[in-house]
Amino acid sequence: EAQVTQNPRYLITVTGKKLTVTCSQNMNHEYMSWYRQDPGLGLRQIYYSMNVEVTDKGDVPEGYKVSRKEKRNFPLILESPSPNQTSLYFCASSLYEGSGTEAFFGQGTRLTVV
Amino acid sequence: TQLLEQSPQFLSIQEGENLTVYCNSSSVFSSLQWYRQEPGEGPVLLVTVVTGGEVKKLKRLTFQFGDARKDSSLHITAAQPGDTGLYLCAGADRGGGADGLTFGKGTHLIIQP
Repeated sequence: EAQVTQNPRYLITVTGKKLTVTCSQNMNHEYMSWYRQDPGLGLRQIYYSMNVEVTDKGDVPEGYKVSRKEKRNFPLILESPSPNQTSLYFCASSLYEGSGTEAFFGQGTRLTVV
Repeated sequence: TQLLEQSPQFLSIQEGENLTVYCNSSSVFSSLQWYRQEPGEGPVLLVTVVTGGEVKKLKRLTFQFGDARKDSSLHITAAQPGDTGLYLCAGADRGGGADGLTFGKGTHLIIQP
């Protein structure tokens, strides 16, 4: 089944404790992206990647890191999480860069930083 | 960053009624997509509109792209409880796909039986 898989689905952590949210897609997509979704603010892009070893900042990259060492994986790293990073996170992938290309989303990771 | 304004933000109506959701911007987009998101799930694509003035139908849902490619609407006829969800519009400016989408804040739609 074609899908984008995120882990974990739920995570509660403490301020300053490094964490990684994994994302994997099995559709051989070139493009991958991370979003955070907050009430009243909608979906905002954190980072995106156009191909292996190519990543770029989205609209809200502060406090986050990503890597794209393999085509299928695009982990999101929070080196020192803070409470303002409490949010619902989504990974997305799409086949290629082109107007109207469909983005496939994972099921989301709900992160709470206390 | 280009902005997409969706309205209304919240809408609760009775089963069988019609409704329209709007997505407006001052910027031109190369294409515009509509997604539906259910609680605990990621957004799922409903439709993509590319040409100014384009109209697409998906059963009881009708999507329209404005002539100037700055706005779009979603009209639902005879709404059903299964239509309940968060509807998101997304504009493609950097080329589209997972790297180039700008999302509106969404319309929370509740259809009451």
